[in-house]
This record gives sequence, structure tokens and C-alpha cells, in this order.
Amino acid sequence: EDQVTQSPEALRLQEGESSSLNCSYTVSGLRGLFWYRQDPGKGPEFLFTLYSAGEEKEKERLKATLTKKESFLHITAPKPEDSATYLCAVQGGSEKLVFGKGTKLTVNP
Amino acid sequence: NAGVTQTPKFRILKIGQSMTLQCAQDMNHNYMYWYRQDPGMGLKLIYYSVGAGITDKGEVPNGYNVSRSTTEDFPLRLELAAPSQTSVYFCASIHPTVPGAFFGQGTRLTVV
Repeated sequence: EDQVTQSPEALRLQEGESSSLNCSYTVSGLRGLFWYRQDPGKGPEFLFTLYSAGEEKEKERLKATLTKKESFLHITAPKPEDSATYLCAVQGGSEKLVFGKGTKLTVNP
Repeated sequence: NAGVTQTPKFRILKIGQSMTLQCAQDMNHNYMYWYRQDPGMGLKLIYYSVGAGITDKGEVPNGYNVSRSTTEDFPLRLELAAPSQTSVYFCASIHPTVPGAFFGQGTRLTVV
């Protein structure tokens, strides 16, 4: 069964304090690993798709990396507007898109 | 290009009533998914579809039904609504080879 575990559940940072969010996964036949951002009361917003180990994607202050067992979302010099819940999901050979419970990030000014 | 469109945005149902949550996408995506999200509980997969005419159960399918007669539409049917179905429902779609997975804005359902 495909599984996704995200850590930590919650993370508080000061503005400018860089850190990383972890997504550990088990999946049969990885088709893609997805990162989303979700703001309160809204639907998840797509950030990145990673397809194979060693792949990296960047967007502004965010960088996602992928190994065979986990993915990291690195946040460099975060700003208060980066505060949100970050969700990780995997799609495997079953075609299901399975999500972790998310990491709630708070960036204080 | 509207992306993924869900209707209605809000709905209050009485116990035992039925309703259909609509989901439509205009990106020619093959894969479509329905999730429910309870406070602090993450996204749980209800049903999914890999193409027109093909649907399969997810983690929490009981009390729901789906159909996929076209590539664009993937409605979710609630029969005999129960208070346990109070939740926010999200529809999502993915193309099998084009990067990107997109969500609708959700339907907030309350069963009283």
C-alpha cells in the first residue's frame, strides 16, 4: 500500500531562517511525487512534480529534491507570506494519488 | 482555460437527503480524483478515475458513488447523507505525462 509520512507536523521559523520539510514515502512504481501549498479555506495549489531520484525543482524561495525514499522541500530565507500548510503526495502504479497529512509552516516577521 | 471547476461551493443537507457534487476540467486530463478533508486530518481519497468509463475506490468510498462518462466531468454522488459526511470535498486532475496536478476550490458540505 502506498504511504506518505510528512515531518514535522508543524514548524515555526523566523523570517529569513532557512529550513527543510521532509516527505518519506513507500510506493510501488513511482510515477510522480507532488508538492502542494494549501492556505486556510482554499484548495491545494500545485508547486512541483518530481519523477525520479536525483531530480530537483526550484521556484522562488522553494527547492524540492527527491531520493528513492524521501523528498525534501527546502525553504530559503522564508517570508511571512510563505506561511501555509505544505502537502506531499505520491502517484504510483496503482494510479492513486496518496497524500501525507502535511506540515503547517508559520513564518514570524 | 478554467482549470478544475467544482460546484456548488457550499451546501447544507439534511440527514437522508442526496446530492451530486460536480467537477469539471478543461485540460484534457485523464486522471481525476475526489478527496474529503476534515480539520487536521489531511486529504482522504474517496474515488478516482484513470479515464472515461473507468473508476475505482479509494480509501473511504462508503456512502459515495461516482461516474465518468466523459473526460471532462467526474461527479460525486452522496446518497442518504449522514453527519459523518460533513467535510470539505476537493476534486483534482492530472495529465499522465504533463507535469502539474490541479485542484478545484472545494465544496464545503454540512449535513444536519
